[in-house]
Amino acid sequence: DAKTTQPPSMDCAEGRAANLPCNHSTISGNEYVYWYRQIHSQGPQYIIHGLKNNETNEMASLIITEDRKSSTLILPHATLRDTAVYYCIVRVPIGGSQGNLIFGKGTKLSVKP
Amino acid sequence: GAGVSQSPRYKVAKRGQDVALRCDPISGHVSLFWYQQALGQGPEFLTYFQNEAQLDKSGLPSDRFFAERPEGSVSTLKIQRTQQEDSAVYLCASSARPGLASNEQFFGPGTRLTVL
Repeated sequence: DAKTTQPPSMDCAEGRAANLPCNHSTISGNEYVYWYRQIHSQGPQYIIHGLKNNETNEMASLIITEDRKSSTLILPHATLRDTAVYYCIVRVPIGGSQGNLIFGKGTKLSVKP
Repeated sequence: GAGVSQSPRYKVAKRGQDVALRCDPISGHVSLFWYQQALGQGPEFLTYFQNEAQLDKSGLPSDRFFAERPEGSVSTLKIQRTQQEDSAVYLCASSARPGLASNEQFFGPGTRLTVL
């Protein structure tokens, strides 16, 4: 699986958009970009994933550059409850044991009032 | 609906003790994963089950770690002769079926193990 690079921490004002970057310059053509987050003392939670098109769901939007070497997770209106560590993961979405997730250190997002 | 549950939530063990950590995945989920998360780090893969078959145990750090899922539902991670370096949060995750593009993994809250 390709390696990802994320800033260790970011701050965001409550109600503003939080834009979390991720670099994955060695991503392969069949690897997806996944985002998970982990709120303090909880297990990780799936947010969104995509291959090359931008994706949006009820939680967030995922913007992937045309060359797929980087992506941005957007939380459109951050709330205090969005304070968490956000993990960007790239992997082939196959099943079996290769389906295990390889987490880095992620970005600690602090949403401030 | 019920998510992934783990018990106990907290466990304190004396060095050398054996511990057993339980995971109840979402009903019907075929895939089950165990991860270990050290303080300040991201989770690291330990082992994977597809139904009752343990298909990958490459992440288990030593032969003191053993996992089972005898009936393809509940899983137990056992650590024998615990050492201080085993102190971590142990996370369990399940997913519905292997091979799906989404393959979303649902995580439990974890068991925080402290070895004194």
